[in-house]
Amino acid sequence: QSVLTQPPSVSGAPGQRVTISCTGSSSNIGANFDVHWYRQLPGTAPKALVYGNNHRPSGVPDRFSGSKSGTSASLAISGLQADDEADYYCQAYDSSLNGPVFGGGTRLTVL
Amino acid sequence: EDQLVESGGGLVQPGGSLRLSCAASGFTFSVYNMVWVRQAPGKGLEWISYISSSSSPIYYTDSVRGRFSISRDNAKNSLYLQMDRLRVNDTAVYYCARRAFGWGDYGLDVWGQGTTVTVSS
Repeated sequence: QSVLTQPPSVSGAPGQRVTISCTGSSSNIGANFDVHWYRQLPGTAPKALVYGNNHRPSGVPDRFSGSKSGTSASLAISGLQADDEADYYCQAYDSSLNGPVFGGGTRLTVL
Repeated sequence: EDQLVESGGGLVQPGGSLRLSCAASGFTFSVYNMVWVRQAPGKGLEWISYISSSSSPIYYTDSVRGRFSISRDNAKNSLYLQMDRLRVNDTAVYYCARRAFGWGDYGLDVWGQGTTVTVSS
């Protein structure tokens, strides 16, 4: 069981908008720690997509956006493209574990 | 380009040991805090250990504490993970990652390509 909870899968048609939720607790997201999002293509390392709740690293298009409220966070992907198919992970710091915790990952399928 | 390259993975029997290395290049390794993250086959990401730039403090997740030891050599731009008393469920791809500056709490901005550890008899 992952400390942060994500839906196992989401899907959408090309051009559509999808959101991926990430639910934590009072020791991580609810403690006002920042949420980060990573994308992982098969057989490759994770790559940062959103950091500090709603900031994008250089090179990440503005189709990707993050938000946070209370003990939850969300990643929104608009204008879905075929190469958006990947696994997406949320991450936050957890004060009870003294380290980062991840969600279980969400597989995005572009129909 | 900022880069991390892991090495040292392989096949080991239960109860055995392995030492993973992570070579950093393209940036000033000595000022960054670093972590090890692993991913079991078909599973999600799991943080296992953290080391500050000065080697103190150090933290471990419960499942590896007392068996794994993280260290670094700033003169050699290298991070290490000594893994002892390995178990079958330690089988995973092991990634080293850099904790970013200015990314809020514990953002990881550079990841290595991973090295595979298989624990099996």
